[in-house]
Amino acid sequence: DAGVTQSPTHLIKTRGQQVTLRCSPKSGHDTVSWYQQALGQGPQFIFQYYEEEERQRGNFPDRFSGHQFPNYSSELNVNALLLGDSALYLCASSPADRDKVTQYFGPGTRLTVL
Amino acid sequence: AQRVTQPEKLLSVFKGAPVELKCNYSYSGSPELFWYVQYSRQRLQLLLRHISRESIKGFTADLNKGETSFHLKKPFAQEEDSAMYYCALLTGGGNKLTFGTGTQLKVEL
Repeated sequence: DAGVTQSPTHLIKTRGQQVTLRCSPKSGHDTVSWYQQALGQGPQFIFQYYEEEERQRGNFPDRFSGHQFPNYSSELNVNALLLGDSALYLCASSPADRDKVTQYFGPGTRLTVL
Repeated sequence: AQRVTQPEKLLSVFKGAPVELKCNYSYSGSPELFWYVQYSRQRLQLLLRHISRESIKGFTADLNKGETSFHLKKPFAQEEDSAMYYCALLTGGGNKLTFGTGTQLKVEL
């Protein structure tokens, strides 16, 4: 099991563009969470997907949206990119079992907005 | 609102010395706390979870509800412990992790 995988590894975009990041969860996991990690900061929760629906959302604008597919993989979309969106975007997966809510993280996608 | 505070950005200790990485939290509910570690060029990985009450790589952490703390401790630091450590609080019905800003641990020879 490769664990949580993310693509691409790095991405460079310009202001105003749109970006899509992808995540495949760890085998046996059906819940995917997305986090933004700015330089020098801890990860900040964007939202979580379960059963193809957004289950909870952090304090991020509507420019940030997501999707979960039937195979549990997920996408994070960011529209109208701003310079401040430059960060490492982390995906984490976990099983639905409430007793096993540990989140396992992927390597991240480094987004640079110029 | 929930918050996690890690007051030290950098902690430097000598090999063999005791280590204590501080973590304080603010949360009105029943806290569920984690320590995650990120070694150089590696992904964020779980170190330990307070419910498990395990000792991983010689590290332990005790939840002190009175002091709202979850400090990470190790009696004898090793060079391979050098890494970035994040304390995290699980909230939102088990859906959301709130992280501290992290502490960079540097173990010197």
